[in-house]
Order: sequence, then C-alpha cells, then structure tokens
Amino acid sequence: EDKVVQSPLSLVVHEGDTVTLNCSYEVTNFRSLLWYKQEKKAPTFLFMLTSSGIEKKSGRLSSILDKKELFSILNITATQTGDSAVYLCAVLSNFGNEKLTFGTGTRLTIIP
Amino acid sequence: DTGVSQDPRHKITKRGQNVTFRCDPISEHNRLYWYRQTLGQGPEFLTYFQNEAQLEKSRLLSDRFSAERPKGSFSTLEIQRTEQGDSAMYLCASSLGPGRSETQYFGPGTRLLVL
Repeated sequence: EDKVVQSPLSLVVHEGDTVTLNCSYEVTNFRSLLWYKQEKKAPTFLFMLTSSGIEKKSGRLSSILDKKELFSILNITATQTGDSAVYLCAVLSNFGNEKLTFGTGTRLTIIP
Repeated sequence: DTGVSQDPRHKITKRGQNVTFRCDPISEHNRLYWYRQTLGQGPEFLTYFQNEAQLEKSRLLSDRFSAERPKGSFSTLEIQRTEQGDSAMYLCASSLGPGRSETQYFGPGTRLLVL
C-alpha cells in the first residue's frame, strides 16, 4: 500500500524565519509528487514534481524531489503570517489508477 | 472559470438519513475525483471518473456510498443511511487527465456532520 509520511507534524516559528518541511514516500510506480497548502478550506495547489534534483520555485516557496532517497522538501523563506496553514504532500502513482495518496500534513504557525 | 465548486458547503443530518452532494469540475476537465478528509488527516481517495465512466472505487466506499457523473460534467456523491462515522469533509477535485495535465484542483468541500 502506498504511504506518505510528513514531518514535522507541526511547526511554530516567528515571522521572517525560514522553514523546511519534509515528505517521504513509499509508492508503487511513482509518477509525481504534489504539494498543497490548506487553510480552512480546500487544498490549494503549490507544486508538482516529477524529476529528481530540479527545484521548482514560486516566490518565497521552493521545492525539490529526490527520487533515489524517496523524499521531497518544501522550503519557505522570510515567512509571513499568511503562510500559516497545513501543508500537504501527496503522491500520484502510475499503477492503473489516478488517486493521490496524501500524508497527514504539517501544520505551520507563524507568530508575528 | 471559477474553479471547482461544491454544493452544499455544510450539511447537518441525523443518523439514518440520506444525503447527496454535488460537484462541478473546472470546465474541460475530464477527470473528477472524490476524497474524504477527517480532522487532522490528509484527504483519502474515494473514487474517480474519466468523463462519465467510474474507473475506480476505494474500499473506503461502502455499499452505502454511490457516485455518479451521468453526462461527464458534474458529479453527485450520495450517502445512504448515514452514520456518525461518515462525518467528514468531502472534497471534489478535477484534472485535465493524463497526457495533458495531472494536477488535481480541489473544490471548497462539503462538511458533513451526522448527529
């Protein structure tokens, strides 16, 4: 069974700090890894990663995938209070289905 | 285009009642997915459609659950004889599909509370 593990489960930092969120996975026939941000509503898409070692960047957020070690990290620099959310990592497998397997998420709280 | 929409946003029902939720995907998205999310957990896959065809159902989807996408556009998820354990957020997502884009975009969800 596909498995996604995120760490830490929660993180509290001060505004302006840099944070790194971790995601490891065990998936049959990996296709891609996705990061989502979830506030009090639906998950909002951040990144999709399919190739190892290629960093994806969007403003203060960046992410990279290591397919050999089976993990990904999400970095947020110069954090702001608006970054407070649950960050979800999900993996798309390529084994006859199209489902996303999610981790439990990392709850990030930014203190002003 | 305003993204994936779901209706209702909240539903409170008594145990044993039937409920139906609706999802309207992003237009031109062929794939439509249903997930369930409970407090403190990530979303769990329930089922998905390619156009009107239901291609996979999770073992989480008991016989009391049924989903349809009759014309390949909107979808409905019905829960019969609701139980307190059905209380959760029900999320719908859509994507263009393989060969085009596999990114799944989520709707705002329907939060169900079964009393």
